[in-house]
Amino acid sequence: AQSVSQHNHHVILSEAASLELGCNYSYGGTVNLFWYVQYPGQHLQLLLKYFSGDPLVKGIKGFEAEFIKSKFSFNLRKPSVQWSDTAEYFCAGRNQAGTALIFGKGTTLSVSS
Amino acid sequence: DTAVSQTPKYLVTQMGNDKSIKCEQNLGHDTMYWYKQDSKKFLKIMFSYNNKELIINETVPNRFSPKSPDKAHLNLHINSLELGDSAVYFCASSQRTGKGNEQFFGPGTRLTVL
Repeated sequence: AQSVSQHNHHVILSEAASLELGCNYSYGGTVNLFWYVQYPGQHLQLLLKYFSGDPLVKGIKGFEAEFIKSKFSFNLRKPSVQWSDTAEYFCAGRNQAGTALIFGKGTTLSVSS
Repeated sequence: DTAVSQTPKYLVTQMGNDKSIKCEQNLGHDTMYWYKQDSKKFLKIMFSYNNKELIINETVPNRFSPKSPDKAHLNLHINSLELGDSAVYFCASSQRTGKGNEQFFGPGTRLTVL
């Protein structure tokens, strides 16, 4: 069955630390992958997406992700986090039928100032 | 100028009641979705509608019924509410041309069943 898994449940960092959140997907074929962020009390916002082409994807707010097909991974990175990055981060993949997103269980990022 | 809007934002009700959550998108998208986010923040697809046709229905009890009067609206009606229905429900929309387009999410409706 198709699935998306996120390795880290809760990550705690100090400001200016580097961030990497893991994401793996389990299906083959056409792969469309996304990272969404959910700030406290708010809706999901798209950080970045991968459809094809350059495996290194740049997103908003200084985030980037790298699609590594051989590892079935799409890890999210940011070189220097800020307190305002405190949020839930969700990795998601489009299902094979293209009819819905399959989400990982999310990672809570807490950044202390 | 809100892209995807939902009402109400909060909904508190008693077990056994029937309630509806409304969703509207002004993006001109042809597909709309309902997702459920449980207490552990896990998001799971419930329904999607494309051009007024239900195209998926993922193991959702038949107490839940999506209703789409037009392609800009996808309302969620829930009959005989149960405690386990307490969650945050998110509406989303996308343009289903190809498979790669992103989904835009509404602000969510927090449903609490007492």
